[in-house]
Amino acid sequence: GAVVSQHPSRVICKSGTSVKIECRSLDFQATTMFWYRQFPKQSLMLMATSNEGSKATYEQGVEKDKFLINHASLTLSTLTVTSAHPEDSSFYICSARAPDSLYEQYFGPGTRLTVT
Amino acid sequence: GEDVEQSLFLSVREGDSSVINCTYTDSSSTYLYWYKQEPGAGLQLLTYIFSNMDMKQDQRLTVLLNKKDKHLSLRIADTQTGDSAIYFCAENGTGRRALTFGSGTRLQVQP
Repeated sequence: GAVVSQHPSRVICKSGTSVKIECRSLDFQATTMFWYRQFPKQSLMLMATSNEGSKATYEQGVEKDKFLINHASLTLSTLTVTSAHPEDSSFYICSARAPDSLYEQYFGPGTRLTVT
Repeated sequence: GEDVEQSLFLSVREGDSSVINCTYTDSSSTYLYWYKQEPGAGLQLLTYIFSNMDMKQDQRLTVLLNKKDKHLSLRIADTQTGDSAIYFCAENGTGRRALTFGSGTRLQVQP
């Protein structure tokens, strides 16, 4: 099956700094990618839909100026957490919909962000 | 909005069958999914079912869908300790490409 990678897998940063997380589709092109956030012992919540070549669509309650999404190519979407705070500490997971499938989404392995 | 609910915890003995239940509210759900997440890891798609199906079986996994009651279940036969994980059901409705996830059910398999 198709593979989605994320980098880094873990990152620790200081409060007030910015962190960039990359999501790549390795063997297929993804015009749309999704960013989810998962707090400890909770479910995945959709943050935003990343569209190649256009602005991301954010879910209600997600600050677009804090979580910057750039989908510059058909294989790469980035999520930048700006001015990170401890409450942003979470597991961030991206997914991409398979181009030739109506049902399947491929998920990345996730990035664990810890803000100290 | 869409809502997906699951019980939080299930404990079974090795070799028994496990049944994880899920209810959802979106009647336009097209596909319903079961994902497995092991500690510290991403999501692994276990199986999915199209909304016009009642049942799907794949080796040890059986998915039952009651569309009238908006109820989905995952049965794992001969549960093994390696099946211990969190299981999420998810759905996507017509016109939505992102998934809505349930809260996850933690399955604990006792030897």
